[in-house]
Amino acid sequence: AQTVTQSQPEMSVQEAETVTLSCTYDTSESDYYLFWYKQPPSRQMILVIRQEAYKQQNATENRFSVNFQKAAKSFSLKISDSQLGDAAMYFCAANSGGGADGLTFGKGTHLIIQP
Amino acid sequence: DAGVIQSPRHEVTEMGQEVTLRCKPISGHNSLFWYRQTMMRGLELLIYFNNNVPIDDSGMPEDRFSAKMPNASFSTLKIQPSEPRDSAVYFCASRVGTLRQPQHFGDGTRLSIL
Repeated sequence: AQTVTQSQPEMSVQEAETVTLSCTYDTSESDYYLFWYKQPPSRQMILVIRQEAYKQQNATENRFSVNFQKAAKSFSLKISDSQLGDAAMYFCAANSGGGADGLTFGKGTHLIIQP
Repeated sequence: DAGVIQSPRHEVTEMGQEVTLRCKPISGHNSLFWYRQTMMRGLELLIYFNNNVPIDDSGMPEDRFSAKMPNASFSTLKIQPSEPRDSAVYFCASRVGTLRQPQHFGDGTRLSIL
């Protein structure tokens, strides 16, 4: 079994600033995969970034990057140069396998961008 | 490329009625997942298929829920009889390859049971 915890129900950031969304997880598997999904008001679930646990290098996708701390079981998302279009719910998710499949999601963080 | 297609986008029906939600995965994807999203419980996995075969349905809340995947391009989630507590957004997602690959989500079906 795996669990994912997002402790920030809501975050607010000024446009063009940097914001970090927190996520911690727990799994007994040694090989697992972590994801951040964005859900704007349109309800779509959009993949933002993914990290493979066996890779030490932090994943980066343009303005989005992660800080993956395997020992601490932490997987935070950093958004640089925040834009109005970044406003959305952000969900952290894990897939550990171990005979099972499917994503386990955190409760989400509502990100507000202040113009 | 066409993404995951779900229908209907919205469904409003009365308690006790049968509800069928439909999903067309991305062509070539071999795994399909059904999730439910509610304010109280967040996003939960209901069931998933691998190569059209149901693998794990432990997330299906009750026997009133059933899912099928008759072929690689179509899946249904059925609720019979429906209850007001089934009101939620239901997402279908598909994936190619193993769990290291990301899942691609449809736009969801917002289901309201009156």
